[in-house]
Amino acid sequence: EAQVTQNPRYLITVTGKKLTVTCSQNMNHEYMSWYRQDPGLGLRQIYYSMNVEVTDKGDVPEGYKVSRKEKRNFPLILESPSPNQTSLYFCASSQRTSGRLQETQYFGPGTRLLVL
Amino acid sequence: LAKTTQPISMDSYEGQEVNITCSHNNIATNDYITWYQQFPSQGPRFIIQGYKTKVTNEVASLFIPADRKSSTLSLPRVSLSDTAVYYCLVGVGYSTLTFGKGTMLLVSP
Repeated sequence: EAQVTQNPRYLITVTGKKLTVTCSQNMNHEYMSWYRQDPGLGLRQIYYSMNVEVTDKGDVPEGYKVSRKEKRNFPLILESPSPNQTSLYFCASSQRTSGRLQETQYFGPGTRLLVL
Repeated sequence: LAKTTQPISMDSYEGQEVNITCSHNNIATNDYITWYQQFPSQGPRFIIQGYKTKVTNEVASLFIPADRKSSTLSLPRVSLSDTAVYYCLVGVGYSTLTFGKGTMLLVSP
């Protein structure tokens, strides 16, 4: 089954304790992205990756790191989490094709993070 | 990037047709219009995409006037399971990845 998976689905941690949220897709998609969703603010993009070893900042990159060493994986790293990073996080991927058509993104199930 | 404006919320009853309009006054020539649906605690799901005139699939229709400064997502005969947040996005390629706040549609019995 074609899907985007995230782990963990739920995580409670404390301020300053480094954590990693994994994201994996089995669709051979070149493009992957991370979003956070907060009440009243909608979905905001954190980082994205156009291909292996190519990453770039989205709208709210502060406090986050990413890496893209393999095509299927795109982990989100919080080196020193803070309470303002408490949020619902989504990973997404899409196929990169030629042409001008906006790409359709496939989203993972989400990771709910609470930083105390 | 083209900014979009949608109503914050809409109410409907089962069996009715629902039309959600999105305003995008500064849409660029190459931009496409895409709508996503999101249920609580789930990731958004692609519904429909179009460039101009009308597009229809098994889920919805998308109406885009000639000036392309707005678009309307039409959901025929909604059911309770259509209660969700609907996002309108405008852009091309990977340029538009900002979902905004969307429209919360509540369908009642």
